[in-house]
Amino acid sequence: AQSVAQPEDQVNVAEGNPLTVKCTYSVSGNPYLFWYVQYPNRGLQFLLKYITGDNLVKGSYGFEAEFNKSQTSFHLKKPSALVSDSALYFCVERGATNKLIFGTGTLLAVQP
Amino acid sequence: DTGVSQDPRHKITKRGQNVTFRCDPISEHNRLYWYRQTLGQGPEFLTYFQNEAQLEKSRLLSDRFSAERPKGSFSTLEIQRTEQGDSAMYLCASRIQVGEQYFGPGTRLTVT
Repeated sequence: AQSVAQPEDQVNVAEGNPLTVKCTYSVSGNPYLFWYVQYPNRGLQFLLKYITGDNLVKGSYGFEAEFNKSQTSFHLKKPSALVSDSALYFCVERGATNKLIFGTGTLLAVQP
Repeated sequence: DTGVSQDPRHKITKRGQNVTFRCDPISEHNRLYWYRQTLGQGPEFLTYFQNEAQLEKSRLLSDRFSAERPKGSFSTLEIQRTEQGDSAMYLCASRIQVGEQYFGPGTRLTVT
């Protein structure tokens, strides 16, 4: 079965430092991958997606993700973290009929 | 605000009662999805509509659950004879033919 793995339950980073949230995927062939963010008391928000093309995908709020086929990874990155980036981040894979398959989420905590 | 609305935002019910949730997708979106998110987990797919046709149901959707999308616009999700294990956040998402899914704020169900 398709799945995505987020090995870190929580990532702590100081404001201004670069951040990375890790994700690995399972589907063979050409995966269709997303990152979504969930802020407290707000709905899930789309950040970025990878379909084909450049391995570095740019998204909202200064986030980007690097697709690595040989490592089956799709890590989320940002050069300089903000306190307001603190939220729950989900790596997501597209399944059949375009339903989304979510990872377990990584809580990002950015300290001032 | 993604443009997808859900009602109610919170529902507290006693075990054994029936509940119904409503989702209003973005108007031009013909695909609609329901997901369930329990504490500490990523959302899990429940069911999918293309226009008014329900095209896929997860095994998570027991016989007590039913979903409809009359006229291909809003959708309802009904849970009959609620159980404590049904307590979760129920999320609705919509998309056009090609594109990412936009999520509503969710309905938080608490079964006492």
